[in-house]
Amino acid sequence: LAKTTQPISMDSYEGQEVNITCSHNNIATNDYITWYQQFPSQGPRFIIQGYKTKVTNEVASLFIPADRKSSTLSLPRVSLSDTAVYYCLVGSFNDMRFGAGTRLTVKP
Amino acid sequence: GAGVSQSPRYKVAKRGQDVALRCDPISGHVSLFWYQQALGQGPEFLTYFQNEAQLDKSGLPSDRFFAERPEGSVSTLKIQRTQQEDSAVYLCASSLALRTSTNNEQFFGPGTRLTVL
Repeated sequence: LAKTTQPISMDSYEGQEVNITCSHNNIATNDYITWYQQFPSQGPRFIIQGYKTKVTNEVASLFIPADRKSSTLSLPRVSLSDTAVYYCLVGSFNDMRFGAGTRLTVKP
Repeated sequence: GAGVSQSPRYKVAKRGQDVALRCDPISGHVSLFWYQQALGQGPEFLTYFQNEAQLDKSGLPSDRFFAERPEGSVSTLKIQRTQQEDSAVYLCASSLALRTSTNNEQFFGPGTRLTVL
């Protein structure tokens, strides 16, 4: 099972773009990369998923280089409400493992 | 529509007591997962159901933990003879997708915070 490494914490300011990079050197051919967001006292919420290149939805973009050994979650123009823990997961449907995540703090 | 609900939201148990945690998944969701989340950590997988079948229970930490989903909808996680190390948030998630799917989107409930004294 591919292990992921991401920064423990990040700070940003309102209106800035935030990029959170996750390393997964041992990613398997069939593994997808999935990002979740978690607010205090809530369960995680799915943000985005991708296999290669770039994926964009209404919330975020996910950039995956050709070697797939890392990925970057990009949050455009963050607001205070984006303060949360962000988890990078690599694996298949019922074999996903959450790490400790990245605690993003958005300041006014 | 209604999301995943869990009850109770908070549970305090004395060491040695049995507890039962309930999960109501989104209607029609085939897959159901249980996770355990310790303070400051990410969720850790406990078990997975596809309809009423428990296909993976590799994450259950001991034989004191038991989960069931008898009719393929509501699920119960039971912990027998609770210990202090069982204190955590227990999360339930459901999904339309099957285990062979490439869609990794799971819908999580708010969790049950269990405190064992």
